[in-house]
Amino acid sequence: DTAVSQTPKYLVTQMGNDKSIKCEQNLGHDTMYWYKQDSKKFLKIMFSYNNKELIINETVPNRFSPKSPDKAHLNLHINSLELGDSAVYFCASKTRDGNTIYFGEGSWLTVV
Amino acid sequence: DAKTTQPPSMDCAEGRAANLPCNHSTISGNEYVYWYRQIHSQGPQYIIHGLKNNETNEMASLIITEDRKSSTLILPHATLRDTAVYYCIVTLRTSYGKLTFGQGTILTVHP
Repeated sequence: DTAVSQTPKYLVTQMGNDKSIKCEQNLGHDTMYWYKQDSKKFLKIMFSYNNKELIINETVPNRFSPKSPDKAHLNLHINSLELGDSAVYFCASKTRDGNTIYFGEGSWLTVV
Repeated sequence: DAKTTQPPSMDCAEGRAANLPCNHSTISGNEYVYWYRQIHSQGPQYIIHGLKNNETNEMASLIITEDRKSSTLILPHATLRDTAVYYCIVTLRTSYGKLTFGQGTILTVHP
């Protein structure tokens, strides 16, 4: 049973396209995240939702729009994709207390 | 969050203990030390965390110095599957999971 699952795992798309990455967690957590890992392997937080409410929004271009239809799902939609958006995007969720975070397996996005 | 300093890489022989150090000299009194690791092509995985006491779980032990300015993650019997990047993160318990990952330590376990 996958705790945090995200789809697709691999995505190759052209510049200018719009794409979405979906994430679901079956852990019953209230808080979910999107993290981005760039080509230099730095891992940075992008967004966080708690019970469908946005609580963290780092300096991310507004082409990136997270959507949380319910607390088990947090999707990431990206408009007008650029070459620099190529990265691995990790979805994650957290227990109510502390900072024990469970990450998904990642979605490898390549923009050509 | 306090800044952490880790060696960029370390080697360990399979079956031996792997001791990964982390310096966090600017840690504040209410900040915790968390360790995560990332195996190649996988998402980061939580290992262990602590405030000031030493901690142990099924994966590892965490030793925090008395002044809390440094800590050591110990994998008691390293296996090849422990080859990964290990991240030491200092953060408030109430940081809403906003973890600041540094470059970490690349641990290579060899036969």
